[in-house]
Amino acid sequence: KAGVTQTPRYLIKTRGQQVTLSCSPISGHRSVSWYQQTPGQGLQFLFEYFSETQRNKGNFPGRFSGRQFSNSRSEMNVSTLELGDSALYLCASSYASGSYEQYFGPGTRLTVT
Amino acid sequence: AQSVTQPDIHITVSEGASLELRCNYSYGATPYLFWYVQSPGQGLQLLLKYFSGDTLVQGIKGFEAEFKRSQSSFNLRKPSVHWSDAAEYFCAVGGNYGGSQGNLIFGKGTKLSVKP
Repeated sequence: KAGVTQTPRYLIKTRGQQVTLSCSPISGHRSVSWYQQTPGQGLQFLFEYFSETQRNKGNFPGRFSGRQFSNSRSEMNVSTLELGDSALYLCASSYASGSYEQYFGPGTRLTVT
Repeated sequence: AQSVTQPDIHITVSEGASLELRCNYSYGATPYLFWYVQSPGQGLQLLLKYFSGDTLVQGIKGFEAEFKRSQSSFNLRKPSVHWSDAAEYFCAVGGNYGGSQGNLIFGKGTKLSVKP
């Protein structure tokens, strides 16, 4: 069974721009969670989507948003990029909403200049 | 608030030596506990998990962890370390953010270096 895939793997953007990251979950998994990883803050939960609905959200500003499609693929969007948004963004899939057994993709490395 | 503490930022062990990585958690209810490993430039790989039952949990790659409720700990162990185990290790607890379950709360990680 194929794992979680994330595209693109690397991205360089300029302050003020916006960016969209994509995640395809493991086949049969319907929940997708997003995490931000930075050297200073570590791994932090952004949000979870299940059945095209946001089910859970972490403590991030409204510039961070996401959505999920009917095939369970998910995108996250960051608007008005700031230097501090430079991070590894990890997507995790699980079978059901609220499941802690999550399987992670390789991440998208975002650099904001 | 829920939290996870990994007291050791960096550990170096010799190949073939035993390993123990420490993890302490703060959580009011029965915790769901996890250990993940991350190689450079990679995502997180689940090593093992504890939900309930036997407090000694076996995982992949020869790792095991022991849940000790009295010490709020979930330490990761391996009897003999291989050079390929060099990576960063993260302990996590299943959180309950805003009343909703499903998010993982991670420790800051322990970087493991292996000496030949």
